Amino acid sequence: DIQMTQSPSSVSASVGDRVTITCRASQGISSWLAWYQQKPGKAPKLLIYAASSLQSGVPSRFSGSGSGTDFTLTISSLQPEDFATYYCQQANSFPVTFGGGTKVEIK
Amino acid sequence: QVQLVQSGAEVKKPGASVKVSCKASGYTFTSYGISWVRQAPGQGLEWMGWISAYNGNTNYAQKLQGRVTMTTDTSTSTAYMELRSLRSDDTAVYYCARDRSGSGSRPLFDYWGQGTLVTVSS
Repeated sequence: DIQMTQSPSSVSASVGDRVTITCRASQGISSWLAWYQQKPGKAPKLLIYAASSLQSGVPSRFSGSGSGTDFTLTISSLQPEDFATYYCQQANSFPVTFGGGTKVEIK
Repeated sequence: QVQLVQSGAEVKKPGASVKVSCKASGYTFTSYGISWVRQAPGQGLEWMGWISAYNGNTNYAQKLQGRVTMTTDTSTSTAYMELRSLRSDDTAVYYCARDRSGSGSRPLFDYWGQGTLVTVSS
């Protein structure tokens, strides 16, 4: 199975800050990586697919980059509604695996 | 608009079975796959398996093999997930999610159900 490792596990930031979350795959997955946002008590929401493609309706302050084993999710200017937990997911092959999550908290 | 509506919360005793439904609307059901993902309290996301709504092909997480069965009813556009021999560590919110890739070749989840809490307790 492909292991996905996210860092940091949590980050404290203020509104307007730039936030970067990283995800590392245990083996190369080309660009087959997705990012999700989850708020408490809600289902995950797809933000980014194919490492850098923005899902329809997602604000442009979210961006993704990377290929192979190392990937990044960047929020360019954190907004109040962005405080949530973020997960990466490899879409290269079954079994699907997720990173452990990164909680973005208010500083 | 695409919607996945799941059945309600369940409380089960250890050793029992649970069957969760996921009714799809707003798209051609047989053109996409459905995955099931669960989340234990305070924990991350765990993929359970995938089913093609086109031909019923399945792919299950190894740790659940033998305890989980995923099915679909194309006449009602509904997917089902049955988990047997329940244990306390199966307590979780269970989500269905549409696989945008359709064939399962690059599983990617663009729409999710609202989640179903399954509590396993004696």
